[in-house]
Amino acid sequence: QVQLVESGGGVVQPGRSLRLSCVASGFTFSGYAMHWVRQAPGKGLEWVAVISRDGSNKYYSDSVKGRFTISRDSSRNTLSLQLNRLRPEDTAVYYCARDGRWLPDFWGQGTLVTVSS
Amino acid sequence: QSVLTQPPSASGTPGQRVTISCSGGSSNVGLNPVNWFQQLPGTAPKLLIYDNNQRPSGVPDRFSGSKSGTSASLAISGLQSEDEADYYCAAWDDGLTGVVFGGGTKLTVL
Repeated sequence: QVQLVESGGGVVQPGRSLRLSCVASGFTFSGYAMHWVRQAPGKGLEWVAVISRDGSNKYYSDSVKGRFTISRDSSRNTLSLQLNRLRPEDTAVYYCARDGRWLPDFWGQGTLVTVSS
Repeated sequence: QSVLTQPPSASGTPGQRVTISCSGGSSNVGLNPVNWFQQLPGTAPKLLIYDNNQRPSGVPDRFSGSKSGTSASLAISGLQSEDEADYYCAAWDDGLTGVVFGGGTKLTVL
């Protein structure tokens, strides 16, 4: 069955960096674009970024553009998100999600990132 | 302020039919398919409807989606207590070159 397992979350100080990973199984990872979506505590869903199947196209929300970088390693079935220059407002659960026609379809369970001094 | 507009709350009694609206614009809902997601308390979102009105396998036919112009709707018939959750719509936005979500609707089963 389709499985997405995120890791790498934790508590980090403002201005520091963090790298999130998402390991995929149960489907042909290289055949799908992949998304990151986040949810601040008690708030709604906010799309973060998407990467195409071959990694050649990447799109970001304005709120993270220039600070976050999405990447993938299809040899390891792994999606990554590099978070730089973190701000308190980046505090959220970060979900990776498989793509279905440029929208998320199947979601992982998420990893919590807390940005606090 | 979300790009797609949903009512913050909705409610109904068991057995009733409830609809949740999702209003967008010409660059998102008016142009591209809409997905709907259900998020039960403390869990990850789950795909409920894709391509405006298609149900993934395993989703009961009590859930249905529709779209007209720049608005979409999710209907839940035969409301059950386990339907109490947050519901989100989403669409790709060609102008923003990204996915936009509605603010979410909290459904309460009275």
